[in-house]
Amino acid sequence: QVQMVQSGGEVKKPGASVTVSCKASGYSFPDYYIHWVRQAPGQGLEWMGWINPQSGGTTYAQKFQGKISLTRDSSISTAYLDLISLTSDDTAIYYCARDNDARYNYLDPWGQGTLVTVSS
Amino acid sequence: DIQLTQSPSSLSASVGDSVTITCRASQTISNYLNWYQQRPGKVPHLLIYAASSLQIGVPSRFSGSGSGRVFTLTISSLQPEDFATYYCQQSYMMPRTFGQGTKVDI
Repeated sequence: QVQMVQSGGEVKKPGASVTVSCKASGYSFPDYYIHWVRQAPGQGLEWMGWINPQSGGTTYAQKFQGKISLTRDSSISTAYLDLISLTSDDTAIYYCARDNDARYNYLDPWGQGTLVTVSS
Repeated sequence: DIQLTQSPSSLSASVGDSVTITCRASQTISNYLNWYQQRPGKVPHLLIYAASSLQIGVPSRFSGSGSGRVFTLTISSLQPEDFATYYCQQSYMMPRTFGQGTKVDI
């Protein structure tokens, strides 16, 4: 079955960077975009951006421009989220999710989430 | 950016009740509206896509309707496992945006 498996939780100091990985399985990796979504503690869902695994092309929400970089390694069916210059506001669960439809772009399935904690 | 406003922000209901959640878009989005459920401490998952299409495996007590700017998610005969937060999400325009969520307490 289609699965998105993310890397484990991270604890980072302010100013550091972190990389979250998302390994896809059960389908042809190049054929579906991958979204990234953030959820701060006790808050709602926030769309961050997506990557086209075929071309590597990306689109970021304006809020995250300069804060994130989305990349992929198609040889191992894995997408990556890089977050730079971390602050306490970046403490959140980060989800990857497969784009499931070329027209309606709904997110399914989702990875299990990766908690990134930024603390001095 | 397209703003999605959900109402109510929270509601309390009993098992067996029917509940309706509304999602209003700041501009027309045709039927490019999806609904997700997130149980406490769990990963969000898709319920409905294209405003009214039920995702495979989702119980038929969930239904969606609407087009343009106003959309609804209805849960008929609420079950204990439906205690969760529900989010709408638009896929009409970049950036994709979510509503703020509606928490359903049983």
